[in-house]
Amino acid sequence: GAGVSQSPRYKVAKRGQDVALRCDPISGHVSLFWYQQALGQGPEFLTYFQNEAQLDKSGLPSDRFFAERPEGSVSTLKIQRTQQEDSAVYLCASSLTWYGGRDNQPQHFGDGTRLSIL
Amino acid sequence: SQQGEEDPQALSIQEGENATMNCSYKTSINNLQWYRQNSGRGLVHLILIRSNEREKHSGRLRVTLDTSKKSSSLLITASRAADTASYFCATAASLANAGGTSYGKLTFGQGTILTVHP
Repeated sequence: GAGVSQSPRYKVAKRGQDVALRCDPISGHVSLFWYQQALGQGPEFLTYFQNEAQLDKSGLPSDRFFAERPEGSVSTLKIQRTQQEDSAVYLCASSLTWYGGRDNQPQHFGDGTRLSIL
Repeated sequence: SQQGEEDPQALSIQEGENATMNCSYKTSINNLQWYRQNSGRGLVHLILIRSNEREKHSGRLRVTLDTSKKSSSLLITASRAADTASYFCATAASLANAGGTSYGKLTFGQGTILTVHP
């Protein structure tokens, strides 16, 4: 595809409900990242996939957060038993390679899913 | 947690003026990147500067990096109303600080909101 696509763009849920957020990365991109962005702040890392392998989930706030990328392309971020503090914009980004040295590839971001928990 | 501190938090200028934003970080890095975010949209990669580089140019953008001071600056020359956006610096940790692996995980600053008045 032309860019990273995220759906839905907006999601409103009641506290306690489960939500699933989808990310379609750029075709062929090896690396996929999820970030959480609170209002007025920069994005904060949640988790990283290299193809289908979840190599880093150190940023997931709690065990209510779960992410998968079963076939190494589309990824889903699931939040169970949502809480009001989960309200934020969730951004997905992909990059061409896995290499993270000085010459690592820039990340391409989707427009995010704005999640509001009532 | 955010690694970077950006200064100023907000900047308001007239079209044609130059805009300078600063970023400081805490750990050793492989590279530093600048991203732009328009309201309600994802982040767009602007420029990457490696840890062994001191200055880099791209069009109207000029980035400097001082690893001894752990700081970077972004200069936008001859600003336009279309440059109005939030600007974020992001660092990719060096191998030693990335737990032995490095895949381009980014740590973002809190951002500078730039407003360019026509």
